[in-house]
Amino acid sequence: SYELTQPPSVSVSPGQTARITCSGDALPKQYVYWYQQKPGQAPVLVIYKDSERPSGIPERFSGSTSGTTVTLTISGVQAEDEADYYCQSADSSATYRVFGGGTKLTAL
Amino acid sequence: EVQLVQSGAEVKKPGESLKISCKASGYSFTNYWIGWVRQMPGKGLEWMGIIYPGDSDVRYSPSFQGQVTISADKSISTAYLQWSSLRAPDSGMYYCARQDLGGSGGMDVWGKGTAVTVSS
Repeated sequence: SYELTQPPSVSVSPGQTARITCSGDALPKQYVYWYQQKPGQAPVLVIYKDSERPSGIPERFSGSTSGTTVTLTISGVQAEDEADYYCQSADSSATYRVFGGGTKLTAL
Repeated sequence: EVQLVQSGAEVKKPGESLKISCKASGYSFTNYWIGWVRQMPGKGLEWMGIIYPGDSDVRYSPSFQGQVTISADKSISTAYLQWSSLRAPDSGMYYCARQDLGGSGGMDVWGKGTAVTVSS
């Protein structure tokens, strides 16, 4: 079945820029969604349709695409941004969705 | 307020059946897909499937097809996830979420999760 690949962890200093990637063969054809999950909480949608930000999500969160890789960028990382981040997309025929394995963001 | 309220934690034995629920409020239940997501202890999110309560159209992940059943009762704005015979690996947290395929496309509203423990 279809898979999305993320790095297990990303570490940055507070105030720096974090970039989390997600790779998948169908990404040129399917939108990507990004979710933030903090310990003990349900996930929260932070980016939809590759680069759109839901209301209430800070402007420092942005998304971009390049071929089979998409990137979640968090500019000026704050301590409160420490969390697990998951990408989500659909298989090439849009039959079902999948999540990437998740990336743990640490603000050192 | 748009919200999804999930049923409480469950402790079951292997081989038992289980049906957990997700009650929607604050929006038109029949106009949005509802999805289920599994998170095993210490692991990542797994998309299980979605249902459109308007016509009960259901789509499963290949990984969960035949393993669970997703259903909905639009008269009470409630979606369900059920197992006919639980196994220990079914233990985990199960989230329901509204999947806004007609809008953002993302899972924009989440329940707080239902913890399922399967142990002899």
